[in-house]
Amino acid sequence: EVQLVQSGAEVKEPGESLKISCKGSGFSFSSYWIGWVRQMPGKGLEWVGIINPIDSDTRYNPSFRGQVTFSVDKSISTAYLQWSNLKASDTAMYYCARQGGSYQPFDYWGQGTLVTVSP
Amino acid sequence: DIQMTQSPSSLSASVGERVTITCRASQSISSYLNWYQQKPGNAPKLLIYGASSLQSGVPSRFSGSGSGADFTLTISSLQPEDFATYYCQQSYRPPRTFGQGTKVEIK
Repeated sequence: EVQLVQSGAEVKEPGESLKISCKGSGFSFSSYWIGWVRQMPGKGLEWVGIINPIDSDTRYNPSFRGQVTFSVDKSISTAYLQWSNLKASDTAMYYCARQGGSYQPFDYWGQGTLVTVSP
Repeated sequence: DIQMTQSPSSLSASVGERVTITCRASQSISSYLNWYQQKPGNAPKLLIYGASSLQSGVPSRFSGSGSGADFTLTISSLQPEDFATYYCQQSYRPPRTFGQGTKVEIK
């Protein structure tokens, strides 16, 4: 069974750093891109970007470039989304999702990680 | 960036009704259009990919059509479990933008 399991909810203060994770199982992790999607409270879905576990090639949404960093540890089938300087506006649910090759959709999604940034 | 515009933003419908949601891209995206369903408190779920291909396990009452810049998601007979928010997404070019969503509510 294909699964993406994300790390638990986080509460942080502005200016802090954070790294959340997404662990894949039931499929060949290196054969799929892993993407990240943001959903702010009560709002729609925003494509943050994707990373290729084979070579860590990344595609960032320009709106998020420089604000977040993707990484991956293919030895443990885990992708990461990282902030170095959290802002209150980063408060949102973050989903990871699996994507096949070019032009493919996100076919499996993690359960989401709620990030709350508050003083 | 390619802008994706869904209409309507919300609709009310009864069980058994036929429901149609449209999605328009700001430029041609060929058939690289996906549809997702999201229920409150849950992650999105892929329904349709490549504009018209039904994801495995998705009921056949869901169908998609269109190409170029105009696309449609149709639910042939709305069921109680279909009340949710639906999003289109283009997978033609990064950033792979989503539509703003269409909330389907019970009439």
